[in-house]
Amino acid sequence: GQQLNQSPQSMFIQEGEDVSMNCTSSSIFNTWLWYKQDPGEGPVLLIALYKAGELTSNGRLTAQFGITRKDSFLNISASIPSDVGIYFCAGPAWAGSYQLTFGKGTKLSVIP
Amino acid sequence: DAGVIQSPRHEVTEMGQEVTLRCKPISGHDYLFWYRQTMMRGLELLIYFNNNVPIDDSGMPEDRFSAKMPNASFSTLKIQPSEPRDSAVYFCASSLPLGRADTQYFGPGTRLTVL
Repeated sequence: GQQLNQSPQSMFIQEGEDVSMNCTSSSIFNTWLWYKQDPGEGPVLLIALYKAGELTSNGRLTAQFGITRKDSFLNISASIPSDVGIYFCAGPAWAGSYQLTFGKGTKLSVIP
Repeated sequence: DAGVIQSPRHEVTEMGQEVTLRCKPISGHDYLFWYRQTMMRGLELLIYFNNNVPIDDSGMPEDRFSAKMPNASFSTLKIQPSEPRDSAVYFCASSLPLGRADTQYFGPGTRLTVL
């Protein structure tokens, strides 16, 4: 099946710094989703992307759908302590599918 | 809105025991998904239902796992007999009609530990 590779696996940053993480696939995705999982909770959808090249923002978060359709990027500006958590990329297992394939996640730690 | 409700939040059991995890989807959602999360394998889809009917159970690891959805507001995931390698966090998610991938809402999960 399709696999999503996220990098970095983990990162430690100072409060106020910007964060960048990405997700790549060996196959094409038609939708890219970014989720955040807080400790002890389920994933929550942050941003959904539907078109190659699309750039979408949600507050301090910005995500981009790569032109090749095989990658996506998530940026967080001016990080704050509540940004701590695991960020997952995900996409439908195949076009039109209801099944999601998830990356292994990027664990973000913010040092106050 | 209450969101997806899962119970119990934590379960500790001994190998060989039966375990039942429960999920109440968001009212009006007609798709329900069961996922398992482990450090090694990440988040994996086990099975999903549409209008209470199982659509794809290809992710269910083996016959020890079974899932039911007797009505639109309740689903169970059962493991019998349980094994230590079943230890994981199990999530239930439900989705708006049409079941679009970007409309899945996850519950808080059940952390299962099998000793």
